[in-house]
Amino acid sequence: DAKTTQPTSMDCAEGRAANLPCNHSTISGNEYVYWYRQIHSQGPQYIIHGLKNNETNEMASLIITEDRKSSTLILPHATLRDTAVYYCIVRVPFTGNTGKLIFGQGTTLQVKP
Amino acid sequence: GAGVSQSPSNKVTEKGKDVELRCDPISGHTALYWYRQSLGQGLEFLIYFQGNSAPDKSGLPSDRFSAERTGGSVSTLTIQRTQQEDSAVYLCASSPQQSTDTQYFGPGTRLTVL
Repeated sequence: DAKTTQPTSMDCAEGRAANLPCNHSTISGNEYVYWYRQIHSQGPQYIIHGLKNNETNEMASLIITEDRKSSTLILPHATLRDTAVYYCIVRVPFTGNTGKLIFGQGTTLQVKP
Repeated sequence: GAGVSQSPSNKVTEKGKDVELRCDPISGHTALYWYRQSLGQGLEFLIYFQGNSAPDKSGLPSDRFSAERTGGSVSTLTIQRTQQEDSAVYLCASSPQQSTDTQYFGPGTRLTVL
């Protein structure tokens, strides 16, 4: 699975958009970008994933650059409840004998009032 | 609907004792995963089940760790002769089938080895 690089921490004002970057310069053509988050003392929560087109759901938007070497997760109107560690994971969705996720250190997003 | 549940939520044990951690996946989910998260560390994959078989055990840290799954549902992670370095939050996740990749995580079991 391709290695990802994320900033260690970020701050965001409540009500503003939170833009979380992820670099994955060694991504392969068949690898997807996934985002999960982990709120303190809870298990990780799936947010969104995509291959090359931008994606949007009720939680967030995912913008993937044309060369696919980086992406940005956008929380359009951050709330205090969005304070969490955000993980960017790059992997092939079907790998035959395993479905494991490889988590890096993620970005700690602190939403401030 | 009901999510992934794990029990116990907290477990304190003495070094050298055996412990069993339980995971109840979402009904109908064929894939089940165990991860652990040590204090201040990222999540570390342990083992993956598809049905009752475990095609990927590559993350189990030693032969003191084992896991089984019965009836394609409940899974038990067993740690024998626990050591202090086994202290961590053990997380279970399930997904409807391997290829969907949306894993649904339980709340975890916090294991403390004294």
